[in-house]
Amino acid sequence: EVQLLESGGGLVQPGGSLRLSCAASGFIFSDYPMSWVRQAPGKGLEWVSGISDSGDDTYYADSAKGRFTISRDNSKNTLYLQMNSLRAEDTAVYYCAKEMWRGWSGAFDIWGQGTMVTVSS
Amino acid sequence: QSVLTQPPSASGTPGQRVTISCSGSSSNIGRNTINWYQQLPGTAPKLLIYSDNHRPSGVPDRFSGSKSGTSTSLAISGLQSEDEADYYCAAWDDSLNGYVFGTGTKVTVL
Repeated sequence: EVQLLESGGGLVQPGGSLRLSCAASGFIFSDYPMSWVRQAPGKGLEWVSGISDSGDDTYYADSAKGRFTISRDNSKNTLYLQMNSLRAEDTAVYYCAKEMWRGWSGAFDIWGQGTMVTVSS
Repeated sequence: QSVLTQPPSASGTPGQRVTISCSGSSSNIGRNTINWYQQLPGTAPKLLIYSDNHRPSGVPDRFSGSKSGTSTSLAISGLQSEDEADYYCAAWDDSLNGYVFGTGTKVTVL
């Protein structure tokens, strides 16, 4: 079964850091670009960051640039999101998502269940 | 603030046809393909339409997508109670060099 499982969420103080992980199974992880998408409580979806299949190319939303770093370990079938200098407005459910094709299309056919990040003092 | 604008809500009775619009610009919808997502309450989003008007396996043919210029729309024909959900359009934006989602539309089945 194709599956994505996020972990690493939790409560963190403003200015703190957190690293999210996304464990993939059921498909050839190294063949597909991956992304992180978040959803603040009661709000819409916001794409946060994306990474190519090899990890050589990364993209960020303006809200994440300079603070978040996306990476992947294809030997461990795992996607990461390192989040630094966290703010209250980063509070959200964070989803990892798999591209449908072996290139960039923005068609995310597999999503994880999400992990909640709460930034509060 | 999203660069793709959707109406906040839409509704219909069972069996009706409902259409959701999504308006963008030449840097996103005008140049790149559109995807639509359905999000049922308390669940992760699900890919509903990809590449403007294609349905993934398992998505009923009641759902269809279309695009014209810098606008796109999702149509749900034969509305059913299980279609009550939030719907989002999405596209790559060449100016932002990133992916953008629409503001979202909540569909209610009356």
